[in-house]
Amino acid sequence: AAGVIQSPRHLIKEKRETATLKCYPIPRHDTVYWYQQGPGQDPQFLISFYEKMQSDKGSIPDRFSAQQFSDYHSELNMSSLELGDSALYFCASSDTGGDSPLHFGNGTRLTVT
Amino acid sequence: QQPVQSPQAVILREGEDAVINCSSSKALYSVHWYRQKHGEAPVFLMILLKGGEQKGHEKISASFNEKKQQSSLYLTASQLSYSGTYFCGTEIRPGGGADGLTFGKGTHLIIQP
Repeated sequence: AAGVIQSPRHLIKEKRETATLKCYPIPRHDTVYWYQQGPGQDPQFLISFYEKMQSDKGSIPDRFSAQQFSDYHSELNMSSLELGDSALYFCASSDTGGDSPLHFGNGTRLTVT
Repeated sequence: QQPVQSPQAVILREGEDAVINCSSSKALYSVHWYRQKHGEAPVFLMILLKGGEQKGHEKISASFNEKKQQSSLYLTASQLSYSGTYFCGTEIRPGGGADGLTFGKGTHLIIQP
């Protein structure tokens, strides 16, 4: 079965640089979520999209933005990177019809040096 | 508001049972349970909706007490493959609202042979 695809798997950036993370949800899933997980921490909700429109916004810094495109893939754009942005970034998708688990991608490990 | 999980960590021998608890101060729409192995994506285990129910498959089951806003995950006759960090995630409405699916801090489960 198709899963959530994230790219790249690993990304190394320097402070003040920008980064773009990509997410391809499971086909026919209408909701995409972005989570940030620091080392030893729980996943923190950043933002979600339903049918390509921003749905809810969590603890996403103003330096970050995200969007979902017509083909349902989503991108998380991160600017003015800080050391504290180093984390695993997960994208998840779900089908909001009925009981809907989140299906997570394998994540992008961002290291800011 | 973040749900509270307990215990923080459990060490078991293979074949022993474990219970992981998750409680919220808010009225919940649903409780999700996920297991995450180090460096990997969280994997969905089960979802429970308000109405108070119990679900299970094989040796892993869960309950949701709507009156107390508490959920418990039961692992019976644990196997080595059960090792990992277990997260509960809570929603106050379908889709999660401004907090998305909010995860607890996790319970680290170590199964020893």
